[in-house]
Amino acid sequence: ETGVTQSPTHLIKTRGQQVTLRCSSQSGHNTVSWYQQALGQGPQFIFQYYREEENGRGNFPPRFSGLQFPNYSSELNVNALELDDSALYLCASSIRDFYNEQFFGPGTRLTVL
Amino acid sequence: DAKTTQPNSMESNEEEPVHLPCNHSTISGTDYIHWYRQLPSQGPEYVIHGLTSNVNNRMASLAIAEDRKSSTLILHRATLRDAAVYYCILVGANSKLTFGKGITLSVRP
Repeated sequence: ETGVTQSPTHLIKTRGQQVTLRCSSQSGHNTVSWYQQALGQGPQFIFQYYREEENGRGNFPPRFSGLQFPNYSSELNVNALELDDSALYLCASSIRDFYNEQFFGPGTRLTVL
Repeated sequence: DAKTTQPNSMESNEEEPVHLPCNHSTISGTDYIHWYRQLPSQGPEYVIHGLTSNVNNRMASLAIAEDRKSSTLILHRATLRDAAVYYCILVGANSKLTFGKGITLSVRP
């Protein structure tokens, strides 16, 4: 059984550009959540997808968007990058139920210059 | 979202038990108490969760106060690999994880 994988590992972009981050969920999981973790802080919830539909969103602007595909892989898209978007982006997969554990990937380190 | 309060940091000695406290006085009746940890340069890792009763698994034990306003994560024998940031999180029906700053555990050899 493979775990949650994310690509790329590291990414450098310039302000104003757009970026797509990818996540492959653990087998059998129908829910994916995305988190942003700034240096020295805990992860912050961006949004969650369940069976290809957005199922909850944190306090992030609309330029943060996502997709979940039929095979439960997922993308996080960020438009008009700002310097403050520099962070570790984490995805986590789970079977939908609020008492179930979430399995995190290793993250994508995004640097915006 | 109901909040949790944890000390900023704690130190322990290798092979000794560690008790990591968490206060959650505004917990609702349906909130589960989850603990995750994050090792350096890794994504968070699930440790344990519970609702009302104490819970044990291969990684740790979770002791929940009778009024559910506090809980304690217990590592029975700390190892150097247990040095990490530990997050206590209340999880409701939306299954969203709201992380605080967590508690940084240091383990002395």
